[in-house]
This record gives sequence, structure tokens and C-alpha cells, in this order.
Amino acid sequence: QVQLVESGGGVVQPGKSLRLSCAASGFTFTTYAMHWVRQSPGKGLEWVSVISSDTSSKHYADSVKGRFTISRDNSNNMLFLQMNGLRDEDTAVYYCARSGYGSSWYHWYFDLWGRGTLVTVSS
Amino acid sequence: EIVLTQSPGTLSLSPGERATLSCRASQSVSNSYLAWYQQKPGQAPRVLMYGASRRATGIPDRFSGSGSGTDFTFTISRLEPEDFAVYYCQQYGSSPSAFGQGTKVEIK
Repeated sequence: QVQLVESGGGVVQPGKSLRLSCAASGFTFTTYAMHWVRQSPGKGLEWVSVISSDTSSKHYADSVKGRFTISRDNSNNMLFLQMNGLRDEDTAVYYCARSGYGSSWYHWYFDLWGRGTLVTVSS
Repeated sequence: EIVLTQSPGTLSLSPGERATLSCRASQSVSNSYLAWYQQKPGQAPRVLMYGASRRATGIPDRFSGSGSGTDFTFTISRLEPEDFAVYYCQQYGSSPSAFGQGTKVEIK
């Protein structure tokens, strides 16, 4: 079954860290660039970060650059997002997503999404 | 940075009716790199269209998309009960990719 399953969300205080994970199954994980996309009531859907299939390239939204780090483990079909220095505005549901057919670097849409994991930043 | 504006905010229609949604970009979207997603409560978005007019795998032909430049349209020819949801457009022609704020299609 083709799916993505996120985990690791929770409630965290401002300035603290959290690590999200995404387990991929049912497709050849190593051939796809993978993304994190978040959704909050205030800001809607927002692309967060991407990592290339071979981990050689990474790209971040300006809003998280320098605080978040994306990584992947192709041996175990896992995607990660290390979030440091969390802020109130990082509160959102975080989705793991796969680059869609025909996507290229900087030109990606998303053809497979996980169910998401909720991150709440609050004191 | 391209900003996408979707209209209307809410569309109230009956099953069997035609739904027409608009997505307007603040700048031209290169190569018509525009996607449409459907999202139901408690679920992740699901891609319906990409490249403005290409249906994603398994998407019924009652869904269609058109447009280029700054003006894009998404149409559901005959609404089925399962089509009532929120729809988002996304441009991926330039970085950063951006989403519209969504159009809710609700049962009248």
C-alpha cells in the first residue's frame, strides 16, 4: 500500500526542539524528492522544505531557514524534520509529501501526502 | 513571490450542479505550473490536477482545469456528494511555491 505516515508531533514550548519522522512504504522511496508541507488556520498551506532523492540538495522556506533541517534515510525509507528554536507561528499540522510526476527542482507539486502530525508551540 | 487569490471563498451548490472555481496569480505562472487539490475535514490534501489541465492518476473526468498566465479555472461538471470539500490551487512555476487560500464547495 502506497502511503506516508508521520509521527513525532506534540506540544512544545517556544525555543525548544522537536523531530518529526515520516515512514514511506509501497513505492520506490529512493527515486523521489520528498517534502514537508505545513498547514495552520492562520497561514493556510505552506511549503516548508525539500530534499532530493540522493540527499545532495536541500531547500527551505525563508520562514524556517536556519532553524529546521530536513534529512532522509534511504535504507529505511524514512524522512525527517529537525525543528529547533520553535516559535508560536510554527504551530501547524505538518505533512510529509512526495514530489509529483513530472516535477523538477524548484518546480514541484505533491502527489502523495501523509495524514499529518500536529505540532503545537505554546508556553 | 507569487500570491494566489482564489474565488469565491465559498460556493453553495446542489449535487448535479456545475462548480467553477477561480485562481488568480499576482504574476504569470511559468509553464502553467498550477495544481489543484481537494481537502476534506481531517484529511490531507489530494492532488486532482497538475500542469493546469492534466488530471492526476485516478481522477474522474468530471474534474477539469484550464488557464494560463495569471488566470486559472477549475471545474467540476456535475457535483457528486463526495465532491463537497475545500479546493486549493498551488503554483510551482517559481520559487517559493505557493498555495491559494482555498474555496469551500458546500451543499446548498
